[in-house]
Amino acid sequence: NAGVTQTPKFQVLKTGQSMTLQCAQDMNHEYMSWYRQDPGMGLRLIHYSVGAGITDQGEVPNGYNVSRSTTEDFPLRLLSAAPSQTSVYFCASSYSEGHAAKLFFGSGTQLSVL
Amino acid sequence: GENVEQHPSTLSVQEGDSAVIKCTYSDSASNYFPWYKQELGKRPQLIIDIRSNVGEKKDQRIAVTLNKTAKHFSLHITETQPEDSAVYFCAASNNNDMRFGAGTRLTVKP
Repeated sequence: NAGVTQTPKFQVLKTGQSMTLQCAQDMNHEYMSWYRQDPGMGLRLIHYSVGAGITDQGEVPNGYNVSRSTTEDFPLRLLSAAPSQTSVYFCASSYSEGHAAKLFFGSGTQLSVL
Repeated sequence: GENVEQHPSTLSVQEGDSAVIKCTYSDSASNYFPWYKQELGKRPQLIIDIRSNVGEKKDQRIAVTLNKTAKHFSLHITETQPEDSAVYFCAASNNNDMRFGAGTRLTVKP
């Protein structure tokens, strides 16, 4: 039982490049979400999904896209990377069906945009 | 959207003392209030949570209290130990949208 798996663990991009952060969970959780963590700012919600085919925006969605084609996977796409997107990204899924409660976090992806 | 404020940003206590971290929230529709602990370089992990129909919850050395009228909730850690040193985050959620406070760095000195 792997829980929530994020790849890659580290990534360096140049400004303007695009990439996809991968997130997969094997717990059959309906709810999944993406957060970014910046020093002194806590965790800020980017996008979330309450089930396959359903996504919604969080607090800081600009510059990011998501899709949820399966229950297991919830990739986060950076369309055109900017230095302001340098951050640690966490994917999370929820034990509590259908909504955000008892979030279980992945190990994070540290992204640097030069 | 919901806005969560957390105080203090840093807290240093002596081993064995108690630690209290306080949070306020803005959205009266929020109904779920978890607390997460994050050790250096690790993922946040849930340590305790409370729903809006409960005023207090305790789990061994940690407890959370909620005052819905004042829109604030607090984390209490008693008999602190060095392994309690970490960053603690509060959060508030109205079903699908969970917002976090900025975090409190707790240091427990032996």
